[in-house]
Amino acid sequence: EAGVTQFPSHSVIEKGQTVTLRCDPISGHDNLYWYRRVMGKEIKFLLHFVKESKQDESGMPNNRFLAERTGGTYSTLKVQPAELEDSGVYFCASSLRQGFDEQFFGPGTRLTVL
Amino acid sequence: GNSVTQMEGPVTLSEEAFLTINCTYTATGYPSLFWYVQYPGEGLQLLLKATKADDKGSNKGFEATYRKETTSFHLEKGSVQVSDSAVYFCALRQTGGGNKLTFGTGTQLKVEL
Repeated sequence: EAGVTQFPSHSVIEKGQTVTLRCDPISGHDNLYWYRRVMGKEIKFLLHFVKESKQDESGMPNNRFLAERTGGTYSTLKVQPAELEDSGVYFCASSLRQGFDEQFFGPGTRLTVL
Repeated sequence: GNSVTQMEGPVTLSEEAFLTINCTYTATGYPSLFWYVQYPGEGLQLLLKATKADDKGSNKGFEATYRKETTSFHLEKGSVQVSDSAVYFCALRQTGGGNKLTFGTGTQLKVEL
């Protein structure tokens, strides 16, 4: 069974540009999460999808970030326009159900904004 | 709000040394506690967990005990190996707070021969 995959693994862009990150969860997992780790600090929650609906987006930093999960399968996270402070590693995770189910993490996308 | 504090790294140990990585938390109620590990080039993997006070999570020789009186969940291993070199993250999930995880800053462990 394939794990959570993320694309790209690395992205280097200039301030003001747009970047789109993609996450493919484990097949059949209704729950999908985005997290971010900035500059060696703690990993912070961004948002949680249940199928195609946003269950909790309390961690989204501002309106430059847009997450979608059309069809309830893969998800994209767009940053537009990117700022220097958006640099970090973006992790995606998925779980079968909420509650006590383990979250399975992808390898992350390292975003560098110059 | 919820928070997790873990010891600063990097931690460098010789093979077969004893490992302790401290983790304390702040949360209301009775959160579930986790240790995740990230090996180089890979995603985070759940290492162990505990869901109530005095529970001991264990896996691959690692152990951690949920201590509510000290709000701690310290990670220990009696004899580390080079293959244990990784970044270790302590995390909590608030009861009734959805499924989001609150993480600490991570502790990098390097084990040398």
